[in-house]
Amino acid sequence: KAGVTQTPRYLIKTRGQQVTLSCSPISGHRSVSWYQQTPGQGLQFLFEYFSETQRNKGNFPGRFSGRQFSNSRSEMNVSTLELGDSALYLCASSLLKREGPHNEQFFGPGTRLTVL
Amino acid sequence: GIQVEQSPPDLILQEGANSTLRCNFSDSVNNLQWFHQNPWGQLINLFYIPSGTKQNGRLSATTVATERYSLLYISSSQTTDSGVYFCAVEDSNYQLIWGTGTKLIIKP
Repeated sequence: KAGVTQTPRYLIKTRGQQVTLSCSPISGHRSVSWYQQTPGQGLQFLFEYFSETQRNKGNFPGRFSGRQFSNSRSEMNVSTLELGDSALYLCASSLLKREGPHNEQFFGPGTRLTVL
Repeated sequence: GIQVEQSPPDLILQEGANSTLRCNFSDSVNNLQWFHQNPWGQLINLFYIPSGTKQNGRLSATTVATERYSLLYISSSQTTDSGVYFCAVEDSNYQLIWGTGTKLIIKP
């Protein structure tokens, strides 16, 4: 079974631009979560989508948004990029009932975003 | 919110040595996972272990949920074990809360 895939793997943008990252979950997984990893803040939860609906949201500004499509693929968008948005963005998928805790989460290779 | 502390923050060992990594969490959790992050950033699943003990080859893990800690054991270390080991717990809001990691360096 193919793992979680993320595109692109690397991205360089300038301040003020916007960016869209893509994540394809493991086949059959309907939950997709996004995380930001920076040297200063570590790994932080951004949001989670399940069946095209946002199930959960972390403490990030509204410039960070996401969506999920009917095939469970997810995209996240960051508008008006700031230098501090430079990070590794990771997505994870899991089997999940609509309510309740997750089963094991599996991660993609990440997208490394650099904002200049 | 839940606090997750990992110790030690850094560990340098010779190839063949054994090690124990610890994860303490401040409140009850839905589940707990251990990951190894390789130098390219890929998070590799090691264990999904909300309670009890599991073993996978040279690695094993134990979670004592009632005492709010988990241990990851690595035996007969190899250079490929180098990297950062993370513990992550799922809180009552179904969010993964991450520890700050243990950076492990295995010298040949």
